[in-house]
Amino acid sequence: DAMVIQNPRYQVTQFGKPVTLSCSQTLNHNVMYWYQQKSSQAPKLLFHYYDKDFNNEADTPDNFQSRRPNTSFCFLDIRSPGLGDAAMYLCATSRKGRDGEQYFGPGTRLTVT
Amino acid sequence: GDSVTQMEGPVTLSEEAFLTINCTYTATGYPSLFWYVQYPGEGLQLLLKATKADDKGSNKGFEATYRKETTSFHLEKGSVQVSDSAVYFCALSSNDYKLSFGAGTTVTVRA
Repeated sequence: DAMVIQNPRYQVTQFGKPVTLSCSQTLNHNVMYWYQQKSSQAPKLLFHYYDKDFNNEADTPDNFQSRRPNTSFCFLDIRSPGLGDAAMYLCATSRKGRDGEQYFGPGTRLTVT
Repeated sequence: GDSVTQMEGPVTLSEEAFLTINCTYTATGYPSLFWYVQYPGEGLQLLLKATKADDKGSNKGFEATYRKETTSFHLEKGSVQVSDSAVYFCALSSNDYKLSFGAGTTVTVRA
């Protein structure tokens, strides 16, 4: 089945230690997104890629970076995680030109100790 | 700008009860409307959608109708089950790449 895969599902990192979360998709969608979600709040968009074009949200901290080496993969890098960065990180994809429907991965739960 | 206002929870129901979660929106143009569901510890799954006025989206016994005149997209299910316990998010897209989410409604169904 076509899908969005996130690894790892659970990640523990130390305060200030860089961490990378990964996302891959088999849907061949041209848009990929990274969201941060705390508790049961609405997901907060951090940034998205339309093909190779990177689009940062205005309020995304500089501590968060992203890479998309090819259509299938996208990475979220947190350069110096703080305790406030503990959250669920969700990757999603969509096909531009459709109705805006996004397909979500299962998420990575990040713990910062 | 675009916004979604969703009924606040939490909502607690008994099995086989009727569920309604209200959702209203503000948007430019003619947005697409969505309901996503999130089960504990998982990502969001699309529950249903509607892309134009008067469309009815339905899935797994849930329904919602796109009402342009009242700018609403209320979610309903006639008989809930324990397995419907989850967080439900109403969302819209008025361009074709960004979603605006409501705050989410936590639903707990008791046996």
